[in-house]
Amino acid sequence: NAGVTQTPKFQVLKTGQSMTLQCAQDMNHEYMSWYRQDPGMGLRLIHYSVGAGITDQGEVPNGYNVSRSTTEDFPLRLLSAAPSQTSVYFCASSRNSGTAFRYNSPLHFGNGTRLTVT
Amino acid sequence: KNEVEQSPQNLTAQEGEFITINCSYSVGISALHWLQQHPGGGIVSLFMLSSGKKKHGRLIATINIQEKHSSLHITASHPRDSAVYICAVGGGADGLTFGKGTHLIIQP
Repeated sequence: NAGVTQTPKFQVLKTGQSMTLQCAQDMNHEYMSWYRQDPGMGLRLIHYSVGAGITDQGEVPNGYNVSRSTTEDFPLRLLSAAPSQTSVYFCASSRNSGTAFRYNSPLHFGNGTRLTVT
Repeated sequence: KNEVEQSPQNLTAQEGEFITINCSYSVGISALHWLQQHPGGGIVSLFMLSSGKKKHGRLIATINIQEKHSSLHITASHPRDSAVYICAVGGGADGLTFGKGTHLIIQP
């Protein structure tokens, strides 16, 4: 029972490089999301998806793209890395996706990706 | 946007003590989550509640919807409870809003 799998665990990029953070879940969850965690701040939502083919922006979407071609996978793309994107990134999923119930199910988190942009 | 405040920010206690962590929010919600982040970084969901009280082992979570306040209690605390405890609230289309976390250290 893998749950939410994030890869890689660590990554170092140079400014301007691009990369994709992978996220996969095997629980058939409709709702998937990406967060970044910075020192002294709470987790902040980057992008989310309520089902295959549907994505939307969160609080801090600039510089990131997402797609949801399958229920299982929700990759996060950094288009042109900047030092301000140095952070720890978490992918999370949950069971319900209806607007009224979106946050009424426990969140399942991946183990995180620590990204450094130099 | 909902404002979420946690207190205390840092807490050091002795093994066996009763621990209380508080969470207040500014806008009515549909659910409140308590999360635990281990020293290694992984985040685990402890509770999701929209009213009343929930208990799991030595952990108890309560919520007062009228006062927009929730508490997480740990009874008979143990060094393995040392972690960051995060409160998150949800209820709108803009996603969950997270508190900054409470850093808890339980000394043997």
